[in-house]
Amino acid sequence: EVQLVESGGGLVQPGRSLKLSCAASGFTFSNYYMAWVRQAPKKGLEWVATISTSGSRTYYPDSVKGRFTISRDNAKSSLYLQMNSLKSEDTATYYCARSTGSWDYWGQGVMVTVSS
Amino acid sequence: DIQMTQSPASLSASLEEIVTITCQASQDIGNYLSWYQQKPGKSPQLLIHSATSLADGVPSRFSGSRSGTQYSLKINRLQVEDTGIYYCLQHYSAPWTFGGGTKLELK
Repeated sequence: EVQLVESGGGLVQPGRSLKLSCAASGFTFSNYYMAWVRQAPKKGLEWVATISTSGSRTYYPDSVKGRFTISRDNAKSSLYLQMNSLKSEDTATYYCARSTGSWDYWGQGVMVTVSS
Repeated sequence: DIQMTQSPASLSASLEEIVTITCQASQDIGNYLSWYQQKPGKSPQLLIHSATSLADGVPSRFSGSRSGTQYSLKINRLQVEDTGIYYCLQHYSAPWTFGGGTKLELK
């Protein structure tokens, strides 16, 4: 059974950093692109980052480029999102997702609140 | 950036009714379009990939279609468990973009 379990969320002050993790199981992690998607409270979905199978290629929207870094450890079947210079508008539930073009499996999400 | 215009924003329908949700892409995205269902407090679930292909385990009353740059999700014979918010996603080119969502309720 495919499982994606996010962790690392919480309350953080504006300008500070936070690192999210996603533990994958039930599939060969190294064979798949992976992504982070977020959802602000009562809002729609927003793509945040994607990483290639080896980690050599990463993709970001302008809203987080230069502040967020996606990475992976294939030996540990783990995906990460390093978030720096956090802003109040980064407050959201963050989901990791497996990519096959579309996103076929999603984690349960982890909440990040940016507030002083 | 590719814009995905989803309509309607909300929809109220009766049991067993046929429901259609559409997404209009701002440019050609081929079949790089997927549909997701999200229930309150839950993560999104893939319904349709490649514009018209049913994801594993999804009931056959769901179907996807494409006409040019307009994409549709159709639900035949609406069931209680189909309530939720539906999103389309284009993954033709970065930045990958979602439609604004359609909130589907039972009348």
